[in-house]
Amino acid sequence: AQTVTQSQPEMSVQEAETVTLSCTYDTSESDYYLFWYKQPPSRQMILVIRQEAYKQQNATENRFSVNFQKAAKSFSLKISDSQLGDAAMYFCAYYYPQGAQKLVFGQGTRLTINP
Amino acid sequence: DGGITQSPKYLFRKEGQNVTLSCEQNLNHDAMYWYRQDPGQGLRLIYYSQIVNDFQKGDIAEGYSVSREKKESFPLTVTSAQKNPTAFYLCASSIRAPNTEAFFGQGTRLTVV
Repeated sequence: AQTVTQSQPEMSVQEAETVTLSCTYDTSESDYYLFWYKQPPSRQMILVIRQEAYKQQNATENRFSVNFQKAAKSFSLKISDSQLGDAAMYFCAYYYPQGAQKLVFGQGTRLTINP
Repeated sequence: DGGITQSPKYLFRKEGQNVTLSCEQNLNHDAMYWYRQDPGQGLRLIYYSQIVNDFQKGDIAEGYSVSREKKESFPLTVTSAQKNPTAFYLCASSIRAPNTEAFFGQGTRLTVV
């Protein structure tokens, strides 16, 4: 079964600094999708970034980028120039578009931004 | 505006009662999901449906039931068999295609009193 693990329950960073959130996953498939979602205090889930496993190039969205290591089954999120509005829970998620087609989430990392 | 709507936002239930959480979407999405969120445990999948009149159990389906009679609707019933139902419940939907993004409702906070 596919599983997603986020080993950092909490992280903190100084405003304007860079922080990296870790995510590992377990799968025997080769074509799948990985996501990072943000959940601010409002609890509304927001997609931050998406990565297709067949693409070697790491996805980037403005200040957010990923380090996708397929062989290591690792999918970390880097936030550059951290802003106060980045404070939230961050969830890593995995999706395989065949078979069960479940969207599976990790346990989450709570990110605090220190002014 | 297109979106996914959960209601109510807050729900209180007496022990031994069944309660139904509503989830409606007008995004024309085929797939819909129900998750439970507890502190420190992330989002755990309860049930999901890829097509009308079909649904599958997720990782923590015991004590819950769903139906998918319409594409737009995927209600979740929390039965009296669910031993610890107090939690935050999130509904999501997505298209059945690669490169899909899941859209989430605003959630329902269920409290057993």
